[in-house]
Amino acid sequence: GQQVMQIPQYQHVQEGEDFTTYCNSSTTLSNIQWYKQRPGGHPVFLIQLVKSGEVKKQKRLTFQFGEAKKNSSLHITATQTTDVGTYFCAGRNNNDMRFGAGTRLTVKP
Amino acid sequence: NAGVMQNPRHLVRRRGQEARLRCSPMKGHSHVYWYRQLPEEGLKFMVYLQKENIIDESGMPKERFSAEFPKEGPSILRIQQVVRGDSAAYFCASSPTAIWAEAFFGQGTRLTVV
Repeated sequence: GQQVMQIPQYQHVQEGEDFTTYCNSSTTLSNIQWYKQRPGGHPVFLIQLVKSGEVKKQKRLTFQFGEAKKNSSLHITATQTTDVGTYFCAGRNNNDMRFGAGTRLTVKP
Repeated sequence: NAGVMQNPRHLVRRRGQEARLRCSPMKGHSHVYWYRQLPEEGLKFMVYLQKENIIDESGMPKERFSAEFPKEGPSILRIQQVVRGDSAAYFCASSPTAIWAEAFFGQGTRLTVV
């Protein structure tokens, strides 16, 4: 079945540094979604990417979908303490929605 | 439009008891997913259901676990004869369509087996 791998598992940065998490699927995806889960909270939808090579931005967050639609990345520029949490990618294909293990981001003020 | 409602938020069970977790999807949503999250870990897919149908249960243990999504009422995740290893947060998510829509998550049920 479909597998989604995400790296790194943990990332600790100084406030103001950049952060990137990568997501790779074993199969071609129809789309990929990104979610954020704050400590003690539940996952909240951030964005969906559908087209090959698509790039979307939300303020300091940049999301990319690979040309082969099998990988994706989330990049945060100049992290802030409010960015703390776990970022999950979710690959969707054939009614399936499988999450990566997530990257847990901590930010030191 | 109320969000995805899960109850209870916290559930404590003794080993050997049964745990019933309920999930009411958002109004108009007919697709429900259940995930298990161990402390400090990611979301592990368990089961995907549509109204009255289990579409994919490949992530659910074959024994002791079952799920349903009846025509009326919430989706139920049932764990029989719970063991300590079942302690986790169980999240359900719903979406209005198959793959093109975002999924909305409930607050989760934190199950503790003592």
